[in-house]
Amino acid sequence: AQSVTQPDIHITVSEGASLELRCNYSYGATPYLFWYVQSPGQGLQLLLKYFSGDTLVQGIKGFEAEFKRSQSSFNLRKPSVHWSDAAEYFCAVGDYGGSQGNLIFGKGTKLSVKP
Amino acid sequence: GAGVSQSPSNKVTEKGKDVELRCDPISGHTALYWYRQSLGQGLEFLIYFQGNSAPDKSGLPSDRFSAERTGGSVSTLTIQRTQQEDSAVYLCASSLKRGIEQYFGPGTRLTVT
Repeated sequence: AQSVTQPDIHITVSEGASLELRCNYSYGATPYLFWYVQSPGQGLQLLLKYFSGDTLVQGIKGFEAEFKRSQSSFNLRKPSVHWSDAAEYFCAVGDYGGSQGNLIFGKGTKLSVKP
Repeated sequence: GAGVSQSPSNKVTEKGKDVELRCDPISGHTALYWYRQSLGQGLEFLIYFQGNSAPDKSGLPSDRFSAERTGGSVSTLTIQRTQQEDSAVYLCASSLKRGIEQYFGPGTRLTVT
């Protein structure tokens, strides 16, 4: 069955430090992959997506992610974290087999930023 | 332009009552999705509408849950005879078509007392 695993429930980094959030997926076909961010009390905002082509994708707010098929991974990175990046981050894969259209989400990684 | 809107933002109801949650998708988006977000279960898919096709109801947890989409636009999620385990944030999303990125609304926080 299709699934997404985010191994880290909670990560704390210092402001200005680099960040990498891990995501592994299980999907039989070519995956359509997404990262979303959710601030407290808000909906989900799309950070970036991967459908095909260049395996390094750029997103909003200075985030990037790299698709590695051999590792079934789609890790999110940012070179220098800002206090405003504190939020919960969700990795998702599009479940587009047959007539389905929904996203399958990981459990999320909560990011805290130390001043 | 306007994003996905949902109403109400918060709903408190008594166990056993019916509730209706509303979603206004982005204009022109043919696909509409409902998800539920709870502490124990994370983000779960509930139902998916694509144009005028029959909806994909495979994620609905019980027959107390139903949804409709009128005129290919606004959608209403109805929960009958609410139970405490229905307490969650209900998120609506829309996309221009199936298979591409989805845009989410702010959600409706449902509390069943």
